[in-house]
Amino acid sequence: EAQVTQNPRYLITVTGKKLTVTCSQNMNHEYMSWYRQDPGLGLRQIYYSMNVEVTDKGDVPEGYKVSRKEKRNFPLILESPSPNQTSLYFCASSTSNYGYTFGSGTRLTVV
Amino acid sequence: RKEVEQDPGPFNVPEGATVAFNCTYSNSASQSFFWYRQDCRKEPKLLMSVYSSGNEDGRFTAQLNRASQYISLLIRDSKLSDSATYLCVVNRGYGGATNKLIFGTGTLLAVQP
Repeated sequence: EAQVTQNPRYLITVTGKKLTVTCSQNMNHEYMSWYRQDPGLGLRQIYYSMNVEVTDKGDVPEGYKVSRKEKRNFPLILESPSPNQTSLYFCASSTSNYGYTFGSGTRLTVV
Repeated sequence: RKEVEQDPGPFNVPEGATVAFNCTYSNSASQSFFWYRQDCRKEPKLLMSVYSSGNEDGRFTAQLNRASQYISLLIRDSKLSDSATYLCVVNRGYGGATNKLIFGTGTLLAVQP
């Protein structure tokens, strides 16, 4: 089944404790992206990648890192999480000229 | 001003009604356009792309007016299962690359029995 898989689905962590949210797609898509969704602000792009080793900042990249060492994986790294990073995170992938397919989401709470 | 603006609703309509959502975007260089549907606490799912000539998919019709920077979605014969948030999406990317999708905050539709 074609899908985008992200883990974990739910995570509660403490301020400053490094964490990684994994994302993997099995559709051989070139493009991958991370979004966060907050009430009243909608979905905002954090980082995106156009292919292996090609990444760029989205609209809200502060406090996040990404890497794209393999085409199928695009992990999101929070080196020192803070409470303002509490949010619903979505990973997505796409091939050119088509909309993104989203993962099921990761609900992160930083206390 | 937000780059993609939508009326948040909610739109409460009876089953069988026709409902229309509108969206405006501010970046005239935007390349491609989409409508997504998002159910509560779930991931957004692509509903349809929007083409300049207008396009239809069953009960759904999408229109694009580049001159006015305006996108619309029409749903005919509403079903209870159409209840969801509808997201207007604009691709800010260059050359058609889908790397910079900008989402509106969504319009909530509630179809009543």
